[in-house]
Amino acid sequence: DTGVSQDPRHKITKRGQNVTFRCDPISEHNRLYWYRQTLGQGPEFLTYFQNEAQLEKSRLLSDRFSAERPKGSFSTLEIQRTEQGDSAMYLCASSPLKAGGGTEAFFGQGTRLTVV
Amino acid sequence: LAKTTQPISMDSYEGQEVNITCSHNNIATNDYITWYQQFPSQGPRFIIQGYKTKVTNEVASLFIPADRKSSTLSLPRVSLSDTAVYYCLVGDRAGANNLFFGTGTRLTVIP
Repeated sequence: DTGVSQDPRHKITKRGQNVTFRCDPISEHNRLYWYRQTLGQGPEFLTYFQNEAQLEKSRLLSDRFSAERPKGSFSTLEIQRTEQGDSAMYLCASSPLKAGGGTEAFFGQGTRLTVV
Repeated sequence: LAKTTQPISMDSYEGQEVNITCSHNNIATNDYITWYQQFPSQGPRFIIQGYKTKVTNEVASLFIPADRKSSTLSLPRVSLSDTAVYYCLVGDRAGANNLFFGTGTRLTVIP
């Protein structure tokens, strides 16, 4: 399978615990994006990388959230001291860097986080 | 940031053509217009992208007027499997066109 892969698919954690999610993008894609989606809402942008550089981070993202893409390949999203409001689907997407703009993003199946 | 406005929901009978319009009054010169489809419990899937005039692929057509302040996604002869949420995105800078989703349009296809 050469699509975007996310692991785990589901995660249940107790409030206050730390969780880490992994995303493996399509191999030749320079850009990687993280989103959060709750029921009935569109995906909410969290952050995006171009290669290993984190170029943008949502102002809505608290300090408990951190993302890395150490070698410009896979990425991890960590949530520290989880809260019930963090329960959501976390989506990863990747896209190639295209000169002149205009490119499509390919999404993974997401990681569903439930904080109890 | 170019904000988009779409109808919250639409219903259509099978076999009909469906047109979903998106308003983006503050679109910038370098912005592309991209549409995604999302089924429950799945990530969004790219449908079509355009800059101006008309773009057509095997799935849909995208109509963009000269002022680019709106766009219309056209789905020909919809089937029950087209029931999904459709999102219109406008990039806020060249190249980074996939950042901000709105609430989308929930299309329900009725048999």
